[in-house]
Amino acid sequence: EIVLTQSPGTLSLSPGERATLSCRASQSFSDNCLAWYQQKPGQAPRLLIYGASTRATGIPDRFSGSGSGTDFTLTLSRLEPEDSAVYYCHQYDNGRSPYNFGQGTKLEIK
Amino acid sequence: EMQLVESGGGLVQPGGSLRLSCVASGFTFSDHYMDWVRQAPGKGLEWVGRIRNKANSYSTEYATSVKGRFTVSRDDSKNSLYLQMNSLKTDDTAVYYCARIRLGDKRLKVFDIWGQGTMVTVSS
Repeated sequence: EIVLTQSPGTLSLSPGERATLSCRASQSFSDNCLAWYQQKPGQAPRLLIYGASTRATGIPDRFSGSGSGTDFTLTLSRLEPEDSAVYYCHQYDNGRSPYNFGQGTKLEIK
Repeated sequence: EMQLVESGGGLVQPGGSLRLSCVASGFTFSDHYMDWVRQAPGKGLEWVGRIRNKANSYSTEYATSVKGRFTVSRDDSKNSLYLQMNSLKTDDTAVYYCARIRLGDKRLKVFDIWGQGTMVTVSS
């Protein structure tokens, strides 16, 4: 089972700053099958990044993903108040269930 | 517009059963793998189970926490996905989401479309 550990648990930043969110996997998996989701209160998760670094349709270029192997990063540049949310990393390597999520990073824009 | 709509949630006693449904529209449902993901109140996301498409024999996978109690099924003629939940426990209380798995090679098989979720409460 691949376990994903996200850090930090909570991040408080100001508008215009840059946020760096980390996700570490307990073991590597194929084809960088790592995604990032944004979830706001009362809403379903929204896909941001897949394949570790490819932005999903309609996602602004302020969001970028990087990493490989066991260490992955989601970077949000030029933070806006609407970026306040919980962000989850997720391994979706087909055939390597369970398809675990990280525990989430709460991003607060103060 | 591609959409998933869940239904069937509600209040059930421990040990009881419930069947959730997820109806798809705006895309060719039968082509896609489909998954269930849940979220307990105030907690993170937990993958529950998967059903693949006909080309992959409708094979299924389950999280350890629900294996033997939950069953994922589908009816492609009705563009519908189901989650049969038996022997429910208080720990199963959560919002249950259905999610579409994108077509393509491994790297593309991401959970790209999600429903709005349906709440299941297991309590006496």
